[in-house]
Amino acid sequence: QVQLQESGPGLVKTSETLSLTCTVSGGSISSSSYYWGWIRQPPGKGLEWIGSIYYSGSTYYNSSLKSRAAISIDMSKNQFSLRLSSVTAADTAVYYCARDAGGAGATDYWGQGTLATVSS
Amino acid sequence: EIVLTQSPGTLSLSPGERATLSCRASQSVNSNYLAWYQQKPGQAPRLLIYGASSRATGIPDRFSGSGSGTDFTLTISRLEPEDFAVYYCQQYGNLYTFGQGTKLEIK
Repeated sequence: QVQLQESGPGLVKTSETLSLTCTVSGGSISSSSYYWGWIRQPPGKGLEWIGSIYYSGSTYYNSSLKSRAAISIDMSKNQFSLRLSSVTAADTAVYYCARDAGGAGATDYWGQGTLATVSS
Repeated sequence: EIVLTQSPGTLSLSPGERATLSCRASQSVNSNYLAWYQQKPGQAPRLLIYGASSRATGIPDRFSGSGSGTDFTLTISRLEPEDFAVYYCQQYGNLYTFGQGTKLEIK
């Protein structure tokens, strides 16, 4: 059973960089069958895809984040990470990491989510 | 970017009734790569349907998905108490976008 667990600071100062890590267990992040992604949800609002990474290092991002997002992968630790720069209060959200099986199964496994609050 | 519009915003029904949720895309969804998720308060979304009509592992057969192109539907044949939640559609044929959600509440 694949499990994903987010970790990182719960509080980030305005204009600084939010950094989160997702640790994957029960499966290999180096599988060619999956993408690994980040999705966020502001309090009381809907879901927003941030970006995804393939084991090869190829990345895809939501254009609305205007190049503030960067996703990386560390196969030696079975982890992938998100960095979101120049944060504002609008970036306050629950951040989920997830596995994407594409046509074979969409976004089939999710972490429990971690709340990141941006405050001055 | 493909925009997904879900309707209604809120659906009020009683247990045992049939629920029909709609998701309309601003352009055709590649390969009908359309998924549905259920989210309960304080929990991560749970995959219900992928490929417009395939049930995910462990999902009861009262959940069904249909549609193609730009119009998709999630049907819950007979509502159980645990089905009251927020439902999201997602297209994953051209990057990823989510609809704004439909809240299914007890009448």
